[in-house]
Amino acid sequence: AQTVTQSQPEMSVQEAETVTLSCTYDTSESDYYLFWYKQPPSRQMILVIRQEAYKQQNATENRFSVNFQKAAKSFSLKISDSQLGDAAMYFCATAGGNQGGKLIFGQGTELSVKP
Amino acid sequence: DAGITQSPRHKVTETGTPVTLRCHQTENHRYMYWYRQDPGHGLRLIHYSYGVKDTDKGEVSDGYSVSRSKTEDFLLTLESATSSQTSVYFCAISESWETFLRGDFGPGTRLTVT
Repeated sequence: AQTVTQSQPEMSVQEAETVTLSCTYDTSESDYYLFWYKQPPSRQMILVIRQEAYKQQNATENRFSVNFQKAAKSFSLKISDSQLGDAAMYFCATAGGNQGGKLIFGQGTELSVKP
Repeated sequence: DAGITQSPRHKVTETGTPVTLRCHQTENHRYMYWYRQDPGHGLRLIHYSYGVKDTDKGEVSDGYSVSRSKTEDFLLTLESATSSQTSVYFCAISESWETFLRGDFGPGTRLTVT
């Protein structure tokens, strides 16, 4: 079974500052993927960044980067130079390598950005 | 953006009535998924399809059925709606890991059961 836990229901950051969202997971899969999704008030699910578990190098995507600690089963998201448009609900998710889009999501962290 | 539409976008229905939600894609992708989103739970998989007429259950399938008679359409049916099925429903599609990694979700359907 796979589980994903986001222990921070809400976070706040000042514009232009850096914020880190936490995520821990548990999986019995040997080959798996990890994701961060952004959900703005429009409800659209937007993929922010992904990490293949077999890759040791942390994924980066512009201002977004992850800290992947495989042994600790931790997958945190760092947002640098926060912008007002970053305000949204963020979901961490995982899926087994042989299970396509059968994603398991965490509960979400609501991020607010203060001007 | 991927060509995924959901209909209706909003629906209010009464307890005990049947409801069908439609997901339509123009990408010709093989895999289609239905998720529900509730506060405190993130998104949870209801059912998925890995081809025409090929479907399987997800983690919260009780009270739901699905059908896929064409590649482009995946229907989710609540045979007798209950208040616990009030939720936002998302459809997702993928052809392979490479395409799913774009994160192709539909816009969502808000269903309220009174």
